[in-house]
Amino acid sequence: DIQMTQSPSSLSASVGDRVTITCRASQTISSYLNWYQQKPGKAPKLLIYAASSLQSGVPSRFSGSGSGTDFTLTISSLHPEDFATYYCQQSYTTPLTFGGGTKVEIK
Amino acid sequence: EVQLVDSGGGLVQPGGSLRLSCAVSGFTFSTYWMSWVRQAPGKGLEWVADIKQDGSEKYYVDSVKGRFTVSRDNAKNSLFLQMNSLRAEDTAVYYCTRGGDYSWFDPWGQGTLVTVSS
Repeated sequence: DIQMTQSPSSLSASVGDRVTITCRASQTISSYLNWYQQKPGKAPKLLIYAASSLQSGVPSRFSGSGSGTDFTLTISSLHPEDFATYYCQQSYTTPLTFGGGTKVEIK
Repeated sequence: EVQLVDSGGGLVQPGGSLRLSCAVSGFTFSTYWMSWVRQAPGKGLEWVADIKQDGSEKYYVDSVKGRFTVSRDNAKNSLFLQMNSLRAEDTAVYYCTRGGDYSWFDPWGQGTLVTVSS
């Protein structure tokens, strides 16, 4: 199985900060990497697919990069509504696997 | 509007069974892989199973193989998850979602809570 390791597991940041979350796959997954945002009590929401493509309706302050085994989600300037948990997920092979999540909290 | 509505969750005893359903509208259901993803209380996301457009291919996470069965009815725009021999560790919110191999999960149902407890 492909293990997805996210770091950090949590972070504290202020509105306006630039935030970077990393995700590492245990083997190469090309660009089959997706990012989701989840708020408490809600279903996850797709932000980025295929490593760097912005899902329709998602603000442009979100961006993704990487290929192979190392990937990054960047929020260029945190907005109040961005405080949430973020997950990466590989769709290269089954079992499809998620990272452990990164909780972004208000400093 | 694309919509997925999960249902069928509830409280069940260990060893019991439950059938989850997902009613889909707003897109051509028969042209998409579909998946079930679960989230145990306070934990992260775990993919459970997916099914090809025509139902000819199905894949499962190891922990549910032989106990869970994913199926679909393209005529009724519905996805199902039959869960047998349920265990305490199956307790989670179960989400249906569009997507599977080589794609992404979007959108998601609202989730249905399954609690396995005596």
